[in-house]
Amino acid sequence: RKEVEQDPGPFNVPEGATVAFNCTYSNSASQSFFWYRQDCRKEPKLLMSVYSSGNEDGRFTAQLNRASQYISLLIRDSKLSDSATYLCAGGQGAFNQFYFGTGTSLTVIP
Amino acid sequence: GAVVSQHPSRVICKSGTSVKIECRSLDFQATTMFWYRQFPKQSLMLMATSNEGSKATYEQGVEKDKFLINHASLTLSTLTVTSAHPEDSSFYICSARDRHYEAFFGQGTRLTVV
Repeated sequence: RKEVEQDPGPFNVPEGATVAFNCTYSNSASQSFFWYRQDCRKEPKLLMSVYSSGNEDGRFTAQLNRASQYISLLIRDSKLSDSATYLCAGGQGAFNQFYFGTGTSLTVIP
Repeated sequence: GAVVSQHPSRVICKSGTSVKIECRSLDFQATTMFWYRQFPKQSLMLMATSNEGSKATYEQGVEKDKFLINHASLTLSTLTVTSAHPEDSSFYICSARDRHYEAFFGQGTRLTVV
């Protein structure tokens, strides 16, 4: 079983829509979680960290559900520029391995 | 955010030769760096965890004698692909975690073996 799993999509949504991605993790000892954005043929860039209490940054909200072992990313009022692949990542701590999901492809349509 | 620099960004080499990729953390010390490989339309696959001053930890299925990792200082890790073959052609990315446990990525190296 993979450490981190997510629905690859693709998700095609109209501009202004709200879209949510989920990502499950298998290791209950995982402590650190993040969402990354990756544009085509570029390196991943950190979008936001995921805290136990939830984390909101503008149109983006990330949440962690330890009981069900998943993290989520909610994007409100989707923009064309949000089109990208969104990767979730989890690991046990600063010096331990860090695993990524397969990525979820999002296309925002005019 | 923290800056991680990776070099070269692109390299084309002949089959059987070796290629070295460098990963530097420019504004923070990275005790641990990670090396990933990404094939087209696939996700990042962790290859190995590079620890400063000690041997790297390789993921299952990754040949340590083929992918040599050296982490000689707190700001530099290198990955050498030895005796490269066309199937090694891929996008290699390094990352380093800062003190907040957030990972920052190098620009990536696109390796093409001909």
